[in-house]
Amino acid sequence: EVQLVASGGGLVQPGGSLRLSCTGSGFTFSTYELNWVRQAPGKGLEWISHISTNGGSIFNADSVRGRFTISRDNAKSSLYLQMDSLRAEDTATYYCGREITGTEPLTFWGRGTLVTVSS
Amino acid sequence: QTVVTQEPSLTVSPGGTVTLTCASSTGAVTSGNYPNWFQQSPGQAPRALIYTTNIRHSWTPARFSGSLLGGKAALTLSGVQPEDEADYYCQLYFGGDQRYVFGSGTRLTVL
Repeated sequence: EVQLVASGGGLVQPGGSLRLSCTGSGFTFSTYELNWVRQAPGKGLEWISHISTNGGSIFNADSVRGRFTISRDNAKSSLYLQMDSLRAEDTATYYCGREITGTEPLTFWGRGTLVTVSS
Repeated sequence: QTVVTQEPSLTVSPGGTVTLTCASSTGAVTSGNYPNWFQQSPGQAPRALIYTTNIRHSWTPARFSGSLLGGKAALTLSGVQPEDEADYYCQLYFGGDQRYVFGSGTRLTVL
């Protein structure tokens, strides 16, 4: 069974940092490109970051560029999101999704993790 | 910054047909935007329904269909079931640092 489960969320103060993880299982992790997508409470979905299979190509949305860093460790079947300089507007549930450009579209395979930025 | 707009809410009767649309602030939505559609129930992760305009995933019921309609992407539900009540999001591809833009979402009520 394919799973992509995010973890590491919690309560953090404005200006603080947090590192999210996403662990994949049931598929060949290293062959998939990966994305982080978030959803603020009661709001819509927002794509924030993409990483290629080997980590050599990264794209970030304007809203997180310079503050969030996406990375991966294929040996551990894990995706990460280092979040620095957190703001109240970063409060959201963060999901990880997989895709293969041109072959397999973006899909989600597990629960997200809630990040709350508040003093 | 690109904005993708959907109807905020729609209501349909069980067994009826409804079409949700997805418009881009940059102009007409084309197949090159690879429109995807997701369904989301409360507290759940988004579930992919349709990709590349009109291709159903293996788990997507045949009553869901995708198309391009009048410069927009469209999702049509035919023979709506009570379990189809959910939020629906379209997603368009623009590439680069604006790789994907999600639509504002449509809350579908089955009543």
